Amino acid sequence: DTGVSQDPRHKITKRGQNVTFRCDPISEHNRLYWYRQTLGQGPEFLTYFQNEAQLEKSRLLSDRFSAERPKGSFSTLEIQRTEQGDSAMYLCASSLGSGLKREAFFGQGTRLTVV
Amino acid sequence: GDSVTQMEGPVTLSEEAFLTINCTYTATGYPSLFWYVQYPGEGLQLLLKATKADDKGSNKGFEATYRKETTSFHLEKGSVQVSDSAVYFCALSDRIGVQGAQKLVFGQGTRLTINP
Repeated sequence: DTGVSQDPRHKITKRGQNVTFRCDPISEHNRLYWYRQTLGQGPEFLTYFQNEAQLEKSRLLSDRFSAERPKGSFSTLEIQRTEQGDSAMYLCASSLGSGLKREAFFGQGTRLTVV
Repeated sequence: GDSVTQMEGPVTLSEEAFLTINCTYTATGYPSLFWYVQYPGEGLQLLLKATKADDKGSNKGFEATYRKETTSFHLEKGSVQVSDSAVYFCALSDRIGVQGAQKLVFGQGTRLTINP
């Protein structure tokens, strides 16, 4: 296993279109996180899954955003009716087990540009 | 809520110079502290971490000490190389939910450029 992988790496879409991103975590990791990183800023937490259950969502995750993790493996993040303000890098991370000391491994991200 | 404030960049140094990137945090409780690095075109990589007060994290010549009294976690390296050019993020862990999971709260990042 080579780490967390995200697809696509880049996506350009027109305003109002729907987009979906995929994240494949490290295979034995039961925890999966989505973050959003805008230009010149640090990543901001969006949502968290433990296995297939979505246990936490940030206020940043508006109704147009939905995330799933069927069967507790890969995850998808969908944005409906995209807006220019959605342009950002979307990062996925995964970690294993419990406790605050477990390292989160990040994917390379999906860069979304809404035109 | 919890927050992290980093030294504003960009920072430009010559090779072999001494590096300090300041990081301070605000948190309730006792978070773990991290430095992540992002090389061009790549994802975030954990550089080092410290999980309790007075711990020193170190990796690849970089060091940072968890200072509870000053709520700081400054990153230092004695002699930087061109290959250290990247964006550096300070972060803290914030517990979410009731099952021990954590989310990371990041600073805004500091872009470091090392000239030969």
